[in-house]
Amino acid sequence: AQTVTQSQPEMSVQEAETVTLSCTYDTSESDYYLFWYKQPPSRQMILVIRQEAYKQQNATENRFSVNFQKAAKSFSLKISDSQLGDAAMYFCAYRGPGTSGSRLTFGEGTQLTVNP
Amino acid sequence: KAGVTQTPRYLIKTRGQQVTLSCSPISGHRSVSWYQQTPGQGLQFLFEYFSETQRNKGNFPGRFSGRQFSNSRSEMNVSTLELGDSALYLCASSISGRTTDTQYFGPGTRLTVL
Repeated sequence: AQTVTQSQPEMSVQEAETVTLSCTYDTSESDYYLFWYKQPPSRQMILVIRQEAYKQQNATENRFSVNFQKAAKSFSLKISDSQLGDAAMYFCAYRGPGTSGSRLTFGEGTQLTVNP
Repeated sequence: KAGVTQTPRYLIKTRGQQVTLSCSPISGHRSVSWYQQTPGQGLQFLFEYFSETQRNKGNFPGRFSGRQFSNSRSEMNVSTLELGDSALYLCASSISGRTTDTQYFGPGTRLTVL
């Protein structure tokens, strides 16, 4: 079974600084998708960024970028120029191919605090 | 376009009762997935419905069931509630549930079992 591990329960960063959240996963598949979701206090899960495993290029969305290391099964999220609104719980998630359909497997989450 | 909506937002029940939660997907989305979020177990996949058929199921007891209607709206039902069923229940919709589709989440229903 696929597993996703986030080893940092909590992280903090100063406003305008850069922070990196770590995620590792385990799968025997070669084709899959990885995601970072943000869950603010409102509990609404918001997609931050996604990465297709077959793409070597790391995904980027404005201030958010990932470092995808397929061989190491590592998928970290870098947040640049951190803003107060980035404070939230961040979840790394995996989705497999084919019959697994929409099923997402989530990590435990990392609570990010942004200090002014 | 309206996002995923879930009703009710908050619910309090007692042990042994049953409960029904509702999820309306984004217009045009035909796949609906349900997740349970608890402090102890984190986010766990319950099931997925597509075109009124359950396509995937997580590792939950038979007390948890769901269905999907022809307009893609979905309901999940929990019978004989237990204290451990207290959780945030999230639903997510996507166009077809393919692995290439992005899932969009609703705000969740907070269920408290007393």
